[in-house]
Amino acid sequence: DGGITQSPKYLFRKEGQNVTLSCEQNLNHDAMYWYRQDPGQGLRLIYYSQIVNDFQKGDIAEGYSVSREKKESFPLTVTSAQKNPTAFYLCASSMGGGNYYGYTFGSGTRLTVV
Amino acid sequence: QQQVKQSPQSLIVQKGGISIINCAYENTAFDYFPWYQQFPGKGPALLIAIRPDVSEKKEGRFTISFNKSAKQFSLHIMDSQPGDSATYFCAARSLTGGGNKLTFGTGTQLKVEL
Repeated sequence: DGGITQSPKYLFRKEGQNVTLSCEQNLNHDAMYWYRQDPGQGLRLIYYSQIVNDFQKGDIAEGYSVSREKKESFPLTVTSAQKNPTAFYLCASSMGGGNYYGYTFGSGTRLTVV
Repeated sequence: QQQVKQSPQSLIVQKGGISIINCAYENTAFDYFPWYQQFPGKGPALLIAIRPDVSEKKEGRFTISFNKSAKQFSLHIMDSQPGDSATYFCAARSLTGGGNKLTFGTGTQLKVEL
């Protein structure tokens, strides 16, 4: 079945450590996105990529980095510069262009700083 | 900054009742308005969506009403069931600046009681 796979489901980070969250899709979607979800704040866009080898900052990109070397993969690195990384991270993908399609989301990664 | 304002933050409805969630936006460049349903520990899933040239869209028990002049749209869940208990997010899509970007509301936690 087509879909988006995020791993791991739970991740614990020590202070000062970088961690990478995986996102893989087999939907042949051109665009991929990373959102952060905090209670009461909805989903906030971290980074997005419309095509391979290209990505743009979203509203809260500070302390995060991404790469898009393959169409299927869009990993997110949470760096030590992100001072409050504890959150639920969601990866999504969509068809490119102006088509009226929504996003398909993965099941999320819950990151906790210990 | 593009914003989508969603209310109420939480909602309790009796089984069989009507659940109503409201959203408002400012940016007239938004051209697609999806609603997502999220269960605990899962990613959001597309529920229903509308384009601004349509005033109402119905899919089963779910209806979106759209008021373009007031820049408001709402989700109505008829005959609400305990299985509808979830968090609901409205969203709005903009193609401005390149990219198929969704801006999300802050979410409504719905509980349907027996």
